Order: sequence, then C-alpha cells, then structure tokens
Amino acid sequence: AQSVTQPDIHITVSEGASLELRCNYSYGATPYLFWYVQSPGQGLQLLLKYFSGDTLVQGIKGFEAEFKRSQSSFNLRKPSVHWSDAAEYFCAVGASGGYNKLIFGAGTRLAVHP
Amino acid sequence: KAGVTQTPRYLIKTRGQQVTLSCSPISGHRSVSWYQQTPGQGLQFLFEYFSETQRNKGNFPGRFSGRQFSNSRSEMNVSTLELGDSALYLCASSLDGSSTDTQYFGPGTRLTVL
Repeated sequence: AQSVTQPDIHITVSEGASLELRCNYSYGATPYLFWYVQSPGQGLQLLLKYFSGDTLVQGIKGFEAEFKRSQSSFNLRKPSVHWSDAAEYFCAVGASGGYNKLIFGAGTRLAVHP
Repeated sequence: KAGVTQTPRYLIKTRGQQVTLSCSPISGHRSVSWYQQTPGQGLQFLFEYFSETQRNKGNFPGRFSGRQFSNSRSEMNVSTLELGDSALYLCASSLDGSSTDTQYFGPGTRLTVL
C-alpha cells in the first residue's frame, strides 16, 4: 500500500539556519510527489512538486526538494529559514488510480527561534 | 483569479444532525476533491468529482456523501453527525484531476460536533 512517512513531528531551528525536512514514501511505480505548507487556520499551499526529470526541484519561497529513488525519499530543504516559515509542512504522494487522490504524511511542525 | 472558496468557514453542530459544506473551485477547474483533517488521523482523502461524477472515493462511511454541479461547484454532506466528525474539511480544485494536475486548496471549513 502507498504511504508517506515524515519522521519528524516537530522541528525547531534558529532564524537564518538551514532546514531539511524528511519525507519517505512507499510506492510501486514512479511517484508523483508534493510538498505543501499549512499556516495556522489556513488551507494548504503547494511549495513544489516532482513528476519526472531533474531530481532537484525548485519551489516557491526559496524551498527545494531532492528526489532520491534509491532511498525512497523526497526531502525538503531551505538554506536560510525566515521567521515567517514557521508552519506545518506536509509531504504527499499521488495515489495510483489518479483522480487527485493524495496520500499525505503526518506533517512536520516547524518552529523558528529569532 | 480568485482562489478556492469554502463556506461556511466555521460550523457547530450537535450529534445526530446533518451538515452541508460548500466549495467553489477556481474558475476553469473541473475537478474538486475533499479531504478531512484531524489531529489523530491527519489528512485523509474523502472523494473526488469531475463533471458531476464521483470518480474516486476514500475509506469513509456512507454518511459522507458529495455532489458536484454543472458549474463545478461542489457540496459535501455528512449525516447523523458523530463527535469524531469534528475536523477541518478541505476542498481542493484542479483542472482535470489527472495525476500530474496541481491541486489548489481552499481555507477549509472547521466543523465542531458537540
């Protein structure tokens, strides 16, 4: 069965520090992978997505993610975190059978210290 | 272009009642998906509609139903509410619902069941 694991429930970083959020997926074929961010009381905003091609994907707000098939991972990175990046981050995989069914990880809540 | 809108934003109901939530997709989008978000279960796919037809359904009881209108607006209905139905219900729209399509999420409807 398809699944997404985000091993870190909470992460705290200092403003200006680098960030890496981990995501591992279980999927038989080539996965369609997404990272979304959710601010308190808000819906989900797409940061970036991977379908095929270059395994390093650039997204909005200075985020990037690298697809590593050998490790079944799609980790999200940012070189320098801003206080406004504090939010919850979700990794998701597009389920087989298509039609917009996304399987989400449990999320990682990011706190940023000034 | 206006984003996905959901009404109402907040609802309080009592056990046994029923509730209807509404979602207006981005103009030109024909696929609408619904997700339930709870602290315990995370984000879970409910169903997806395209051209007034349900094409995909998650593992939820029959108390959860939906429909889509000819203008692509969608409603979901929950009958005989239970305490465990308290959640944030998110609607997402996309052009055609294909696996590579990007879903855009609304702000959600916060349902509280007392």
